[in-house]
Amino acid sequence: QKEVEQDPGPLSVPEGAIVSLNCTYSNSAFQYFMWYRQYSRKGPELLMYTYSSGNKEDGRFTAQVDKSSKYISLFIRDSQPSDSATYLCAMSASTSYDKVIFGPGTSLSVIP
Amino acid sequence: GAVVSQHPSWVICKSGTSVKIECRSLDFQATTMFWYRQFPKQSLMLMATSNEGSKATYEQGVEKDKFLINHASLTLSTLTVTSAHPEDSSFYICSGQRPLAGGETQYFGPGTRLLVL
Repeated sequence: QKEVEQDPGPLSVPEGAIVSLNCTYSNSAFQYFMWYRQYSRKGPELLMYTYSSGNKEDGRFTAQVDKSSKYISLFIRDSQPSDSATYLCAMSASTSYDKVIFGPGTSLSVIP
Repeated sequence: GAVVSQHPSWVICKSGTSVKIECRSLDFQATTMFWYRQFPKQSLMLMATSNEGSKATYEQGVEKDKFLINHASLTLSTLTVTSAHPEDSSFYICSGQRPLAGGETQYFGPGTRLLVL
């Protein structure tokens, strides 16, 4: 079993839809959870950062962490064509970046 | 956000040749830089952690003699793929760790696509 699992998609939604992206993990020691957006042929950029369980909202983006279920989610409201990208979840048991484990990413297309 | 650049953005080379990839932090000093490799539809895999002025720390399974890393200054790290083979074809991404008040943040470069023929 991989440490971090993520449905690779592709996921295709109409503009304006609510998008739900998810990751599951197996290591109960993970405490730091991140979502990155990666456009084609570009490096990842950090979207959301959450520590431990709970919700965090930033504009149209909401990150949820359920440590009891080892499940994290990213919700995108009022999705836009510019949201079309690959979304990577990442997590770590410590604040050291060399210990971050990335999911394989979910490819999202928002159709105008 | 801070800017990290990589050069070249893509490179095609013949099998057996060496390729150097540069990673620069343009507007901050990165005492630590990271090198990743990403195969299509797969996770970012950390290859090595590079600290300015010292030897890089390689992840298990990454050959240090094949992937030479130099971090000569606070704004530049280089990755040299020596004697490249087709299986080394991948997307190589660096990141710089920037200290901020109350914590640190990691900024990724745009990546370098390597194709070995």
